[in-house]
Amino acid sequence: AQSVTQPDIHITVSEGASLELRCNYSYGATPYLFWYVQSPGQGLQLLLKYFSGDTLVQGIKGFEAEFKRSQSSFNLRKPSVHWSDAAEYFCAVGASTGRRALTFGSGTRLQVQP
Amino acid sequence: DVKVTQSSRYLVKRTGEKVFLECVQDMDHENMFWYRQDPGLGLRLIYFSYDVKMKEKGDIPEGYSVSREKKERFSLILESASTNQTSMYLCASRRMGQANEQYFGPGTRLTVT
Repeated sequence: AQSVTQPDIHITVSEGASLELRCNYSYGATPYLFWYVQSPGQGLQLLLKYFSGDTLVQGIKGFEAEFKRSQSSFNLRKPSVHWSDAAEYFCAVGASTGRRALTFGSGTRLQVQP
Repeated sequence: DVKVTQSSRYLVKRTGEKVFLECVQDMDHENMFWYRQDPGLGLRLIYFSYDVKMKEKGDIPEGYSVSREKKERFSLILESASTNQTSMYLCASRRMGQANEQYFGPGTRLTVT
């Protein structure tokens, strides 16, 4: 069975600083990997996804993520955080066979200081 | 743009009531999902429908049922609401294919008193 761990429950960064949110997954084969963002009171919006090819994936709003098979990780990065990036971020893994729904991590809440 | 709508943003119900949460998508997606979101637990899958009249239990189906009579609509039913079903409920849809992303509705915050 697949699983996702987001070890950081809450992160605070200063506006303009760089950001890295961690995600580790467990899945036996090549996974499909997703990062979603949830702004307060909103549903989830897709930031980016990986399913094959280049291991560095570019997404919306200036985010990128790197798939590292050897570390079972898919960390999300942004070089310069804006106040509007304050939100909750979810990493999710999808199976290439079998279970057809995503498995989500518990989320990381990002706070941005002025 | 894909649009997923949910019938209510906020709902307050009493213990023992039958509750219907409705979800509608406008992109002819085959797959639809119901999740519940609780602090510190992320999103947990309640039920999944891979096509009209087809459904699969998710990780936490107890106390819930679903209905999918039309492709665009997926309903979540709480047969007898309990206080431990107070939560945020999120609906999602996806074009068939496990590499495809899910599109989410805005959520329904349900309080059972």
